[in-house]
Amino acid sequence: ETGVTQSPTHLIKTRGQQVTLRCSSQSGHNTVSWYQQALGQGPQFIFQYYREEENGRGNFPPRFSGLQFPNYSSELNVNALELDDSALYLCASSTDRVSYEQYFGPGTRLTVT
Amino acid sequence: AQSVTQLDSQVPVFEEAPVELRCNYSSSVSVYLFWYVQYPNQGLQLLLKYLSGSTLVKGINGFEAEFNKSQTSFHLRKPSVHISDTAEYFCAVSDPLFRGSARQLTFGSGTQLTVLP
Repeated sequence: ETGVTQSPTHLIKTRGQQVTLRCSSQSGHNTVSWYQQALGQGPQFIFQYYREEENGRGNFPPRFSGLQFPNYSSELNVNALELDDSALYLCASSTDRVSYEQYFGPGTRLTVT
Repeated sequence: AQSVTQLDSQVPVFEEAPVELRCNYSSSVSVYLFWYVQYPNQGLQLLLKYLSGSTLVKGINGFEAEFNKSQTSFHLRKPSVHISDTAEYFCAVSDPLFRGSARQLTFGSGTQLTVLP
């Protein structure tokens, strides 16, 4: 059974640019959540996708957007990057939107200069 | 709204000594409680969870935690730590009821456990 995978591992972007991060959910999981973990802080919930639709959102601006595909993989898009967007972005999958148990991927480290 | 406070940002401890990592939560409703561990350059791994029942829960790698409803605490303990336990530990809460939208985790700011030889 393959766990949650994320790509790329690291990337560096310039302020104002756009970025796309990718996540493949664990086999059999149809729900994907994204979290932002700034340096020295705990992860903060960005949003969740269930069966290709956004199913809830944290306190993040609209320039953070996402997609979920029919195979339940997901993308996180961030437009107009700001320096404060530098963080580890974690993807977590779960069996369905009712499940309390989330399985995390290794994360993508984004640096905005 | 829920919140989690981890009282110690850093805990140094010598190998084979006991350790306790403290976690307090605030919530107007009952909660599910979790401890996750994050090793350097890795994602989060679930150590243990409290859903209901016995207030003492056992997890992986010899860790255990005790839920105290009156003190709204969920402290993590290990009787004897190893060098390999050096990592960041996060306490998290979740709403036990599914309310139709995302069942998100709310995390504390983390405790860095450093085990010294």
